[in-house]
Amino acid sequence: DGGITQSPKYLFRKEGQNVTLSCEQNLNHDAMYWYRQDPGQGLRLIYYSQIVNDFQKGDIAEGYSVSREKKESFPLTVTSAQKNPTAFYLCASSPLGLAGEEDTQYFGPGTRLTVL
Amino acid sequence: DAKTTQPPSMDCAEGRAANLPCNHSTISGNEYVYWYRQIHSQGPQYIIHGLKNNETNEMASLIITEDRKSSTLILPHATLRDTAVYYCIVRVDYTGKLIFGQGTTLQVKP
Repeated sequence: DGGITQSPKYLFRKEGQNVTLSCEQNLNHDAMYWYRQDPGQGLRLIYYSQIVNDFQKGDIAEGYSVSREKKESFPLTVTSAQKNPTAFYLCASSPLGLAGEEDTQYFGPGTRLTVL
Repeated sequence: DAKTTQPPSMDCAEGRAANLPCNHSTISGNEYVYWYRQIHSQGPQYIIHGLKNNETNEMASLIITEDRKSSTLILPHATLRDTAVYYCIVRVDYTGKLIFGQGTTLQVKP
C-alpha cells in the first residue's frame, strides 16, 4: 500500500527527555512537512523539507530538530528545550513542494505525544 | 493568520447534501483553494482543490465563485461517517505551508 506512516501512534515521555517521531512515505514525494496540532486548534508548521539533505524552519521550530537523509524519511526530534511538547504531531508529504504550483499535501495518521 | 473564514459548525441530515461555505476574499490569482477534513484523532484527509473552475471528484464537488472570493464544498449525499471538521485552506508563501483555521464542524444526523 502506498502512503505515509507515522510511528508510534501514542508516545509517552518523561519531562527532560528527547524523543524522535518517525515519518516514512513511499509515494516518491519530494517534499515533507511536520505540523503540530493542539486541542481544538488548527495545524501549525514546525519544519519542512523540499528536497533531500535540505530543510527549513517553519513557524514554531524552537525545541525541535529534523533530518532528511533519505527521500522517504523525515524524522522529528522533540528536544527537552520544547516547553510544551504535549500535542498531536502530523507528518505530510507532497509531490513537488513548490509554492504557487498545484501541489497537494497528504497526511499521515499522526503521533500523539504526552509528556508526563 | 488564516486567509479563510468558515462557520464554526453546521448540521446536516443523513442522505441530504451538505453545503459548506468558505470566504477567501484576499486570495491571490495563483493561489489554489484546498479542502481537507479531519475526523477526531486522525490525520487530515485531502478532499478536493481548485483554482478557478468548479471541480468534482468521487468525494465531493467544489464550487468557486467567479471573483474567487468564496467557495462551497458540496457533499452530495452525507453519511454519518462524514461527521468531521472541514478545513478550507488557501496555500501561501514559498514554503507551501497550509494555514489551517478553525474549520467547520459538520455534524451529520440520522
